[in-house]
Amino acid sequence: NAGVTQTPKFQVLKTGQSMTLQCAQDMNHNSMYWYRQDPGMGLRLIYYSASEGTTDKGEVPNGYNVSRLNKREFSLRLESAAPSQTSVYFCASVAGGAHEQYFGPGTRLTVT
Amino acid sequence: AQSVTQPDIHITVSEGASLELRCNYSYGATPYLFWYVQSPGQGLQLLLKYFSGDTLVQGIKGFEAEFKRSQSSFNLRKPSVHWSDAAEYFCAVGARGTYKYIFGTGTRLKVLA
Repeated sequence: NAGVTQTPKFQVLKTGQSMTLQCAQDMNHNSMYWYRQDPGMGLRLIYYSASEGTTDKGEVPNGYNVSRLNKREFSLRLESAAPSQTSVYFCASVAGGAHEQYFGPGTRLTVT
Repeated sequence: AQSVTQPDIHITVSEGASLELRCNYSYGATPYLFWYVQSPGQGLQLLLKYFSGDTLVQGIKGFEAEFKRSQSSFNLRKPSVHWSDAAEYFCAVGARGTYKYIFGTGTRLKVLA
């Protein structure tokens, strides 16, 4: 039982490059989330998927797209990376009524 | 719109001293309330949560939090801090009937030996 896994752990991109951050959970959770964490800003919700087949914008969706590939996987895509997207990205999942979020270890992304 | 305020960015306490971390929220009704802890380089772990009922909730690692509706607060407390409690603490709220959560900006706790 690996919980929530994220790949890659670290990534350096040049401005304008694209990439996809992968997230998978093996806990049969319905809801999945992408957050970014920046110093002094806490965690800000980028996108979430309350259930398979649905996605919704969070607080800071601009510059990102997501895909809920199946119940296990929720990917985050940067189409044209910008330095402002330098951050640590966390994926999380939630089991139904418990509302407890389980977090992955994070992806540290640097855009130069 | 929901919002969460953690007014203290940094707090320093001596080992063995008591601790209180503040959290205030803005929401039309009582939301779900959470405290998470993040150790350096790690993801977040749930300490405790409040949905309804008894306003004093117990969590892991000896932490507790009290929900005060009149003050829109959900402050985290620990009677005696251990050096291993040094971490960043996040308060979060969730709108009832949804699976959307908003986090505060966090309070970084430093523990002096």
